[in-house]
Amino acid sequence: SSELTQDPAVSVAVGQTVRITCQGDSLKNYYVSWYQQKPGQAPVAVIHGKSHRPSGTPDRFSGSGSGNTASLIITGAQAEDEADYYCESRDRNDNRVLFGGGTKLTVL
Amino acid sequence: QIQLVQSGAEVRGPGASVTVSCRASGYSFSNYAISWVRQAPGQDLEWLGWIKTYNGATNIAQKYQGRVTLTTETATSTAFMELTGLRPDDTAVYYCARENPYCSGTSCYVWLDPWGQGTLVTVSA
Repeated sequence: SSELTQDPAVSVAVGQTVRITCQGDSLKNYYVSWYQQKPGQAPVAVIHGKSHRPSGTPDRFSGSGSGNTASLIITGAQAEDEADYYCESRDRNDNRVLFGGGTKLTVL
Repeated sequence: QIQLVQSGAEVRGPGASVTVSCRASGYSFSNYAISWVRQAPGQDLEWLGWIKTYNGATNIAQKYQGRVTLTTETATSTAFMELTGLRPDDTAVYYCARENPYCSGTSCYVWLDPWGQGTLVTVSA
């Protein structure tokens, strides 16, 4: 089982707001990053450092969090946002990379 | 354009070894570490290890210690991941990804971008 926990699946209607969460002890002292993966494609970073958007990420994507919980928020979800989303953090003690189990987002 | 281009699909029998390559372009290879991640069919992402390209230091996930070897060839800006003792459950897409250090205030962290396109390794008798 992952040291970062995500809900397996979430759904949202087009145009609505959805929050995808990630929980784990590592989040208390290491910023989370979020990756979007569409079928047959490599993951792509959509948020890094809890709330920074890489160039190319639409501004409807944002990140937040505190303590052992982080969230990826999509405000005004679009059909093209349907994908798997993974959170990622690290163990500061041994620099292991940790991934959440992924959340499958369905846009209705 | 910063990109990572991986080698093509491989098929191996149980007990064999496989090496996947990851060629970087568009940036100074030695300035960024490379992580390796795999994804079994229909499964989630699993980190295998990272390598610091400037000195070859590695950090391999405990589960894969003794089976995974990470190396680099600076002259060609290429990273390699070798997996030995292949089993059918090693069938997966293997990705390389550049580690990007970022500091915000007094906090520093690393995020993965870009990723290679992935290499499918199939282990079958």
